[in-house]
Formats: sequence, structure tokens, C-alpha cells
Amino acid sequence: EAQVTQNPRYLITVTGKKLTVTCSQNMNHEYMSWYRQDPGLGLRQIYYSMNVEVTDKGDVPEGYKVSRKEKRNFPLILESPSPNQTSLYFCASSSDRGSAEAFFGQGTRLTVV
Amino acid sequence: AQSVTQPDIHITVSEGASLELRCNYSYGATPYLFWYVQSPGQGLQLLLKYFSGDTLVQGIKGFEAEFKRSQSSFNLRKPSVHWSDAAEYFCAVGARGNTPLVFGKGTRLSVIA
Repeated sequence: EAQVTQNPRYLITVTGKKLTVTCSQNMNHEYMSWYRQDPGLGLRQIYYSMNVEVTDKGDVPEGYKVSRKEKRNFPLILESPSPNQTSLYFCASSSDRGSAEAFFGQGTRLTVV
Repeated sequence: AQSVTQPDIHITVSEGASLELRCNYSYGATPYLFWYVQSPGQGLQLLLKYFSGDTLVQGIKGFEAEFKRSQSSFNLRKPSVHWSDAAEYFCAVGARGNTPLVFGKGTRLSVIA
């Protein structure tokens, strides 16, 4: 079954404690991305990756890092989380950046206290 | 710059009534148009997409959308809404190559008995 898997689904952490949200896809997609979803603001792209070892900033990259060492994995790293990073996060993958169906993970609800 | 506008933040319809969700876009290139649905606690799922050809597109769950180039619109319709259609709906526009997929801010649909 084609899927994008994110872990964890829910996470509560304290300010400044480094965390990683994992994302894995089984469709051999080259393009992967991270979004955050906030009420009234819709989906905003954090980072994206066109292929292995190729990453670039999206609209709201501050406070986040990513890596793409393997095609299937695209982890999101918060080195020093702050309360304004409390949000719902989605990972997505597709065969093309703008013209193909994007497959989304189920989301990670992050709370930073 | 590319943009997508979903004018209605929240719509309430009665079960069995017809539905139309509006989407207007501004995009320089030939657009690839999408509608996604996000059920509570879930990631986004593709309902339908338009690339070219027939301007009336059929999707899953009984949804359809019509592309109107002259109005820069891609409205989503359903003849008879079911309670399970209550969700958030996102319109998105993209293009081939290294161009981003741009999402609207979403329309939340409530269904009442």
C-alpha cells in the first residue's frame, strides 16, 4: 500500500529540548516536503527536497532543519523548540513538485511547553 | 506570484443538500489544479485533479469540479452531501517542474441533519 508514515503522531515537549519527527515513504518519490498547519493560516511549507542530498527552504523554515540521506526518509529536526512551533505537522511526497498528486502522512501534533 | 483563494472559511449545509466550494487562483503558467480533503485527525487526501482536457472532472466520493479558465476558478461540487463529508477542503494549484504547489487556506464544511 502506498503510504507516507510519520512518527510520532503526538508529542509534548519542553522548550529547548531537541526533537526529530520522522517521515518515510514507500513510493520511490523524489520530491518530499514538510508543512505546518495552523488555524486560519492553512498549510505552510517548511522545507522541501527534490532528491537525495538536495533540500531547500520553504515559506517558514526558521527554527527547523531537515536532511535527506536516503530517498525514502525525510526527517524534520527542531534543535531548540519554542512554544511558537506548537502546531500540526505534515510530511508529503510526490513524483513532481507542483504537478503530481501529493501523498500526505497522518500528521504529528506537536506541543511545546 | 501564485495564489489560491478560498473565499469561504466555513460552510454549513444540511445532509442531502447540494454543495459548492469555491476556489479562485492566480497562476502565470498552465495550472495543475487539485482538491484535497482533510478529515478530522487525518492527513490530506486527493479528491480530484485537473491537468487538461475536459473541464469537468470527476473525483472520489461523488465529488466533481469544473475548471473555468475565464474566471480562474476551480469550484468543487457535490449533488447530495452526506454527514461523512464533514471535513476541511483545500484547493491547490501547481505546475510542472520546480514550481511549488500552492494551497488555499481551506474551507471547513459542517453537515447538519
